[in-house]
Amino acid sequence: DAGVIQSPRHEVTEMGQEVTLRCKPISGHDYLFWYRQTMMRGLELLIYFNNNVPIDDSGMPEDRFSAKMPNASFSTLKIQPSEPRDSAVYFCASSTETGSRVTQYFGPGTRLLVL
Amino acid sequence: KNQVEQSPQSLIILEGKNCTLQCNYTVSPFSNLRWYKQDTGRGPVSLTIMTFSENTKSNGRYTATLDADTKQSSLHITASQLSDSASYICVVSAGDGANNLFFGTGTRLTVIP
Repeated sequence: DAGVIQSPRHEVTEMGQEVTLRCKPISGHDYLFWYRQTMMRGLELLIYFNNNVPIDDSGMPEDRFSAKMPNASFSTLKIQPSEPRDSAVYFCASSTETGSRVTQYFGPGTRLLVL
Repeated sequence: KNQVEQSPQSLIILEGKNCTLQCNYTVSPFSNLRWYKQDTGRGPVSLTIMTFSENTKSNGRYTATLDADTKQSSLHITASQLSDSASYICVVSAGDGANNLFFGTGTRLTVIP
């Protein structure tokens, strides 16, 4: 298996532009997670899906952020309009369950820089 | 408040030396504690996981310990290698559910020849 795939790996954009991050989870994993990682705050859960349905989006910072999962093999995280404080590394992860002992498998991340 | 604190923030050691990374937490209830290794430009990868009843767990040259009474964990790396250079993240689970995970900000380890 290729693991969790994310694209693009790097994104540089200007403030106010729309940014779309993409994720393909591991086949057979029913759960998909979006995280944001910064030096100051570490990893933060933004939203997660179960069987393509959003379960908890309480970590989404504000209305500028939205996420979709149209099918079991694809998810997007969109920021519109983007702001410099959104600069971070965004990770997608997937797992078979959300039990406390279940391992989440992370993608390589998308490094976003908003100028 | 549920928190996970790691120390030191960064560490530089010579190849072949041992080192110990610390994780203190105030998460309650406690389900388990996991250590992740994150190579530069990559996503975190799970190294070990320990429940309340486990006070030590090894994975090759990595040995994690847990003291559930003092709410402390450590990750000991033996005979360090250049490939150990990475960030090490401590994650504490308060139970089932993705929003019951609490992440430390990590320790950045650099191993130099």
